[in-house]
Amino acid sequence: DGGITQSPKYLFRKEGQNVTLSCEQNLNHDAMYWYRQDPGQGLRLIYYSQIVNDFQKGDIAEGYSVSREKKESFPLTVTSAQKNPTAFYLCATTGPLAGYNEQFFGPGTRLTVL
Amino acid sequence: KNEVEQSPQNLTAQEGEFITINCSYSVGISALHWLQQHPGGGIVSLFMLSSGKKKHGRLIATINIQEKHSSLHITASHPRDSAVYICAVSKGGSRLTFGEGTQLTVNP
Repeated sequence: DGGITQSPKYLFRKEGQNVTLSCEQNLNHDAMYWYRQDPGQGLRLIYYSQIVNDFQKGDIAEGYSVSREKKESFPLTVTSAQKNPTAFYLCATTGPLAGYNEQFFGPGTRLTVL
Repeated sequence: KNEVEQSPQNLTAQEGEFITINCSYSVGISALHWLQQHPGGGIVSLFMLSSGKKKHGRLIATINIQEKHSSLHITASHPRDSAVYICAVSKGGSRLTFGEGTQLTVNP
């Protein structure tokens, strides 16, 4: 069935380790986004990609990296340079049928740094 | 100051009450979105509007472009409406700017 999958749902990592969060979609959407959500704050944009092999930094890109080798996939790597990585991470997509206005969200990954 | 402000931050209601959540924004927008986030974390889009009013079931969203203000109303609230409601704006292009969200709790 169609949609956006993020895995894993919960992720624990030790300080100093890099970790990669998965985001896969079968909606045939061109644009994909990574957001970070912290308690009491709005969603903040980390990176986004509007087309394969191209991506742009969002508002809080430091300490994160992404790749967009396939239309369906937009993995996010949280590097050891990210000072406060514990947060809820959401992936979203949009496409031409949504007018590139409405975004569709995955279920999220909750990352905890121990 | 955030470009998108929501009020209240927290709202507790009794089942059956009429609920209003407000959103003000300070920038030019192409559309305003209301989103719902359930306790598990998943987010669904409720409304996208650029003028006037939209209704879906017990939910009504209005927007006043001149006043840069939108409201989300829930009629005959139910405990299953308990969630975080998020206002977001499009400023042109596909990027969204989000408010901090309103935590709604509806007690039976």
